[in-house]
Amino acid sequence: QVQLQESGPGLVKPSETLSLICTISGYSISRGYHWGWIRQPPGKGLEWIGSVFHNGDTNYSPSLRSRVTISVDTSKNQISLRLSSVTAADTAVYYCARVFQGSGADYWGQGTLVTVSS
Amino acid sequence: DIQMTQSPSSLSASVGDRVTITCRASRTINSYSNWYQQKPGRAPKLLIYTASSLQSGVPSRFSGSGSGTDFTLTISSLQPEDSATYYCQQTFTTPYTFGQGTKLEIK
Repeated sequence: QVQLQESGPGLVKPSETLSLICTISGYSISRGYHWGWIRQPPGKGLEWIGSVFHNGDTNYSPSLRSRVTISVDTSKNQISLRLSSVTAADTAVYYCARVFQGSGADYWGQGTLVTVSS
Repeated sequence: DIQMTQSPSSLSASVGDRVTITCRASRTINSYSNWYQQKPGRAPKLLIYTASSLQSGVPSRFSGSGSGTDFTLTISSLQPEDSATYYCQQTFTTPYTFGQGTKLEIK
């Protein structure tokens, strides 16, 4: 059974960098698929942040591209998200997910709430 | 970015009703449309992928159709556990944008 688990600080100060890790179990990242990050501000809809392929190729949402980095560590079977210069607008539940290119995200983590506040 | 516009934004229906939610893409996405169900405090769950394929384990009362720019999600006979917010998504080209969501309430 494929399982994903997000981890990282739940509180980040404005202007600092948000860092999250997604640990995947039950499936080796090296086998393929894209692995994505999606976020959801409280009470709002879903926003695609970006994704990474097992070889490290990435794609990012244009609205976040200047501030986001997604990377993969196949040795640890993890992907990571870094979002710099955060503001209150980046407060959201952050999800990682397995993405079958063209066919959507079939496995999701439970999500982790990150609050940006001083 | 491709914009995905869902309608309605909310609806209320009774158990046993047939419910349809629509999604329109700002340009053609062939059949690369997916539908998710999200319940409060939970991660989204994939229901339909590539417009009409039913994800494994999803009840057969859920179905999808469409191609090009117009897509629909249909629940043939609404059940109490279908109360949720539903999102469409395009995976034709990155960024894989989502619709704004449709909140479905059971009367």
